[in-house]
Amino acid sequence: GAVVSQHPSRVICKSGTSVKIECRSLDFQATTMFWYRQFPKKSLMLMATSNEGSKATYEQGVEKDKFLINHASLTLSTLTVTSAHPEDSSFYICSAKRGSASYEQYFGPGTRLTVT
Amino acid sequence: GENVEQHPSTLSVQEGDSAVIKCTYSDSASNYFPWYKQELGKRPQLIIDIRSNVGEKKDQRIAVTLNKTAKHFSLHITETQPEDSAVYFCAASNTGFQKLVFGTGTRLLVSP
Repeated sequence: GAVVSQHPSRVICKSGTSVKIECRSLDFQATTMFWYRQFPKKSLMLMATSNEGSKATYEQGVEKDKFLINHASLTLSTLTVTSAHPEDSSFYICSAKRGSASYEQYFGPGTRLTVT
Repeated sequence: GENVEQHPSTLSVQEGDSAVIKCTYSDSASNYFPWYKQELGKRPQLIIDIRSNVGEKKDQRIAVTLNKTAKHFSLHITETQPEDSAVYFCAASNTGFQKLVFGTGTRLLVSP
């Protein structure tokens, strides 16, 4: 149990366009989902915390109008990178928790975004 | 906010040797400390975790120790194998705030 999927696994887009990434918990309900960004040979940096039915909480320095997060159901959160630029090229990973009392986060397989 | 430091950044060992990776954290309220293994282009995989009410935890060749007073925790891998080669990340979390703060990572290379 506790499987998290992401779609797409890889995406290439042109500068100025928007890209949507989906994160799904397949066999459990996730009250909280997290979005991370990981640049090559770097650590995972939390971008935002997404709670079902409420607005996401963004980390300092992350533009909420550029990285739109929607957590519309207990099994789906989406991250939309708007007006993408080459510097947004990165590995985006989501994770999900079963509930507020749960310690463990279950990670998705990641989405490799390349902006040309 | 929480800050997690991790050392060393790279670690090369011979197969069969032990490997130790150390992390320090800043927030005394942190109470959950997982370790992840990440292979290139893959998701982080939880390999072991420890909560603040425990000082040590072991799972076969892997162990984690926690010193709450000094605010540091360590990953110990014994009898290393080439397939242990990967990047390892420590993390810390205050479950009241839920979010994980990751260390900078350690690239472990196990040579046959």
